[in-house]
Amino acid sequence: NAGVTQTPKFRVLKTGQSMTLLCAQDMNHEYMYWYRQDPGMGLRLIHYSVGEGTTAKGEVPDGYNVSRLKKQNFLLGLESAAPSQTSVYFCASSYRTTGGWTEAFFGQGTRLTVV
Amino acid sequence: EDQVTQSPEALRLQEGESSSLNCSYTVSGLRGLFWYRQDPGKGPEFLFTLYSAGEEKEKERLKATLTKKESFLHITAPKPEDSATYLCAVRTHGSSNTGKLIFGQGTTLQVKP
Repeated sequence: NAGVTQTPKFRVLKTGQSMTLLCAQDMNHEYMYWYRQDPGMGLRLIHYSVGEGTTAKGEVPDGYNVSRLKKQNFLLGLESAAPSQTSVYFCASSYRTTGGWTEAFFGQGTRLTVV
Repeated sequence: EDQVTQSPEALRLQEGESSSLNCSYTVSGLRGLFWYRQDPGKGPEFLFTLYSAGEEKEKERLKATLTKKESFLHITAPKPEDSATYLCAVRTHGSSNTGKLIFGQGTTLQVKP
């Protein structure tokens, strides 16, 4: 009963380094999202995906790339990390039925520090 | 522009002291208002969904209500274990094909014994 799993939980990067955050969900959800959470800013949408092979920009996409090669996985990449990308990153998933949307299910988060 | 604002930012209560958290929204067509609880170092955990004005939902000491402009999360006789950050989010007509949520900044609740 894993739900949404994020890897890694913590990471420290040096400015200019690259990394990939992995999100995996076992609920067969079509829709997946990456958010970042900063103090006083709430959760802001970075990128999202409405299905395997599709991605789209959210509210704060600059400096990030994503890929959804498999339905259950949604990857968030930082090509050249900057201190402004220090944040807590959350992955979420949801699905839509004939009756409407479900709530979003969240992972436990990845705390990223860029020095 | 769709917007969600929560107040207060922080709230300290004594155990047993009831209070309410506010979530005001300005959106182009509400398709659901969500309340989440977030414990330190954890991801948001779903509490309630409200869809139309006048709707109410309850869970233990929590009761969520919805009007056309805002939602309240009422906490009755809180206990220290209710201490957490409470997040409000909306899904709008504009996100009806994507399921995107717009979040408020959250209210951090501390309940002292």
